[in-house]
Amino acid sequence: EAGVAQSPRYKIIEKRQSVAFWCNPISGHATLYWYQQILGQGPKLLIQFQNNGVVDDSQLPKDRFSAERLKGVDSTLKIQPAKLEDSAVYLCASSPRQGRDSNEKLFFGSGTQLSVL
Amino acid sequence: AQSVSQHNHHVILSEAASLELGCNYSYGGTVNLFWYVQYPGQHLQLLLKYFSGDPLVKGIKGFEAEFIKSKFSFNLRKPSVQWSDTAEYFCAVKGYNKLIFGAGTRLAVHP
Repeated sequence: EAGVAQSPRYKIIEKRQSVAFWCNPISGHATLYWYQQILGQGPKLLIQFQNNGVVDDSQLPKDRFSAERLKGVDSTLKIQPAKLEDSAVYLCASSPRQGRDSNEKLFFGSGTQLSVL
Repeated sequence: AQSVSQHNHHVILSEAASLELGCNYSYGGTVNLFWYVQYPGQHLQLLLKYFSGDPLVKGIKGFEAEFIKSKFSFNLRKPSVQWSDTAEYFCAVKGYNKLIFGAGTRLAVHP
């Protein structure tokens, strides 16, 4: 079974530039997540999709971050403009379904390591 | 609001030593609890999970965790660690529809 695919693997940009990350979840997985993991911290949920609808984006800095999941399959996360504090690993994860009583595990991609200079 | 606290940021052990990593959470309702592991150069993967039933759950590679509801804890244990257990371990709590991670514990096992 193919895992969660993310690209690029690494990205270095200067502050105020824009950047985009791509994620292709495991086939058939309805729920997709973007997490931000800053060095020394645990992953922080940025946005959660159920199919192509947003379930939770309460921690997404909407003035500079945006995400979409067209057609309910792959997803892109964009930062525009980037700040120094956005340096982190951006993780994409997917799970088969999501609900209040779901205990489904998440399958994570390898992440995109972003360095903002 | 949900929160997760992991007591130790770095742990260093010798092979065959016993391991216990602490995890406490804050959430008023029913929770699902997880431990994820990230081996060097690899992606996060599930180690074990608790959602109901026996509070002592067993995971892969000889790991186990005990859910103590009265203490809001879900500590991870392994009787005898190996060099290959060197990794970062994350406790995670799922309350209402949202999975929240702790800050992680880096475990280094020396031969």
